Amino acid sequence: QVQLQESGPGLVKPSETLSLTCTVSGGSVSSGSYYWSWIRQPPGKGLEWIGYIYYSGSTNYNPSLKSRVTISVDTSKNQFSLKLSSVTAADTAVYYCARRVGETTTVGWFDPWGQGTLVTVSS
Amino acid sequence: SYELTQPPSVSVSPGQTARITCSGDALPKQYAYWYQQKPGQAPVLVIYKDSERPSGIPERFSGSSSGTTVTLTISGVQAEDEADYYCQSADSSGTYLVFGGGTKLTVL
Repeated sequence: QVQLQESGPGLVKPSETLSLTCTVSGGSVSSGSYYWSWIRQPPGKGLEWIGYIYYSGSTNYNPSLKSRVTISVDTSKNQFSLKLSSVTAADTAVYYCARRVGETTTVGWFDPWGQGTLVTVSS
Repeated sequence: SYELTQPPSVSVSPGQTARITCSGDALPKQYAYWYQQKPGQAPVLVIYKDSERPSGIPERFSGSSSGTTVTLTISGVQAEDEADYYCQSADSSGTYLVFGGGTKLTVL
């Protein structure tokens, strides 16, 4: 059974870059039909899709975050990562990694999810 | 940008049927997915491709679609079903993914 686990700093200063890693166990990031995703949830608010990456390296980002987001994959470590630059307090959120099960690039669902990690942006 | 609209809250008594709607212009073209999130926990998929139920999800959870609205139905609601529920889909091109604002289900 595939499990995902987020890791990274819980506190980031304004204007700096947020960096998180998701480690996949029980499965391979190189498996076809899966897109490795990041989703976030500000405290007390709803979910926001950030983006995803295919094992080949192709990516798709939320247009509202695209200029600040980079998602990468390391198949040798069975991990994928998120970098979000120029962060502000509005980027404070629980960040989840998730596997998107994709029948096609337009049909897919998030399952499973990591437990999430809270990242606070504050000086 | 594309949006999915959900009611902020729905309340039902135990044993009753809860219906949570999600509206969006692209829903006739794109599938919808539903996630359950309990406090302090990660979301869990409960319905995929409008009406398919993953293994391990109770049969009381069902999904349907009609035009620009999809509905999550929970029959015979139990206290353990109290949670936030989010719909998720894609824009008309299927390129960009979006979540609804979430609906808090309260079991009275």
